[in-house]
Amino acid sequence: DAGITQSPRHKVTETGTPVTLRCHQTENHRYMYWYRQDPGHGLRLIHYSYGVKDTDKGEVSDGYSVSRSKTEDFLLTLESATSSQTSVYFCAISEAGQVPYEQYFGPGTRLTVT
Amino acid sequence: GQSLEQPSEVTAVEGAIVQINCTYQTSGFYGLSWYQQHDGGAPTFLSYNALDGLEETGRFSSFLSRSDSYGYLLLQELQMKDSASYFCAVRDPGSNYQLIWGAGTKLIIKP
Repeated sequence: DAGITQSPRHKVTETGTPVTLRCHQTENHRYMYWYRQDPGHGLRLIHYSYGVKDTDKGEVSDGYSVSRSKTEDFLLTLESATSSQTSVYFCAISEAGQVPYEQYFGPGTRLTVT
Repeated sequence: GQSLEQPSEVTAVEGAIVQINCTYQTSGFYGLSWYQQHDGGAPTFLSYNALDGLEETGRFSSFLSRSDSYGYLLLQELQMKDSASYFCAVRDPGSNYQLIWGAGTKLIIKP
């Protein structure tokens, strides 16, 4: 299994507060992704990174920002959490030659915004 | 636009064979991936087809027909542990890095 961890694994927060989720990998993979998964929607891409300090938006990026200052860490920030951001968040990694077809996912973070 | 269609649910019997279909509509095509996700778990990569034909990996096989914009995942000798959701995905033609995902097929296996 790819070495990917996410923290926290569960979080409950209040509307309007900022929240940061962390993804950490030990595989030295160049590409990293943040997805959200909601019932009936499958996986939707929030942001992705193709290298240190290189990031771009996915299909559902509004209200989210990311940062990647080291190869191993990719942070997702909800600038001001809303109830519509209650979801399960997955981080994924991929390597050159595999991207984007073969991605390896972290265990997920279940976020509840009250 | 780009879209993938999968059945929302498929039911099969333990020990049997089941096929999960995926049809896609994209302006460009670069290959079809399949992922498995157990309830409460993370998606895991199963297979990737870039060319027409059948790719076999143990009990699982994946098939692609580019002329029909169609692929399927074939699971043989079904086991209870195969109960999961299965997602197909294709590369977004507008990006080298992004996948477009189907909504997933929930496979229910009965003893």
